[in-house]
Amino acid sequence: DGGITQSPKYLFRKEGQNVTLSCEQNLNHDAMYWYRQDPGQGLRLIYYSQIVNDFQKGDIAEGYSVSREKKESFPLTVTSAQKNPTAFYLCASSFRAWELFFGEGSRLTVL
Amino acid sequence: KQEVTQIPAALSVPEGENLVLNCSFTDSAIYNLQWFRQDPGKGLTSLLLIQSSQREQTSGRLNASLDKSSGRSTLYIAASQPGDSATYLCAPWGNNNDMRFGAGTRLTVKP
Repeated sequence: DGGITQSPKYLFRKEGQNVTLSCEQNLNHDAMYWYRQDPGQGLRLIYYSQIVNDFQKGDIAEGYSVSREKKESFPLTVTSAQKNPTAFYLCASSFRAWELFFGEGSRLTVL
Repeated sequence: KQEVTQIPAALSVPEGENLVLNCSFTDSAIYNLQWFRQDPGKGLTSLLLIQSSQREQTSGRLNASLDKSSGRSTLYIAASQPGDSATYLCAPWGNNNDMRFGAGTRLTVKP
């Protein structure tokens, strides 16, 4: 089945560690996105990529990094520079500026 | 920057009621607007997509309208059921190729 796969579903990190969240899609979509969701708040855009080897910062890119080496993959690294990384992270993809589809999310907890 | 507001923030109703969820946005220059449903701890599921040239879209008991000029969209849920309990988010797609989200309306439908 076509869709977006995020892994891991749950992740625990010690302070000072970098972690990478995986996002893979088999929908042949050009654009991919990373959002962060905190309790009671809307989704905030971290990074997005409209094409392979190109990506743009969203509203809250500080402390995060991404790569887009393949059309199907858009991993997000949460670096030690991110001061408050505990959150629910959602990956999405779309065919250009069209309907957005989401993965099931990854919950990151800093111990 | 696009700002999205959803009213009410929370809503609790008995089963069978017809509901109206409101979404307003500040920048009317949008490509489309999408309504999503989110169950606790899960990703977002697309409910309806309204293109900027459309005024409304229907799917089963759901009907969404869009008034671009006034920056408003409404999601109407007919004959609500306990299974409709979830958080509903609206998201207009702007000219800079990203999608902004409201904080959502948390709906509880009581049997």
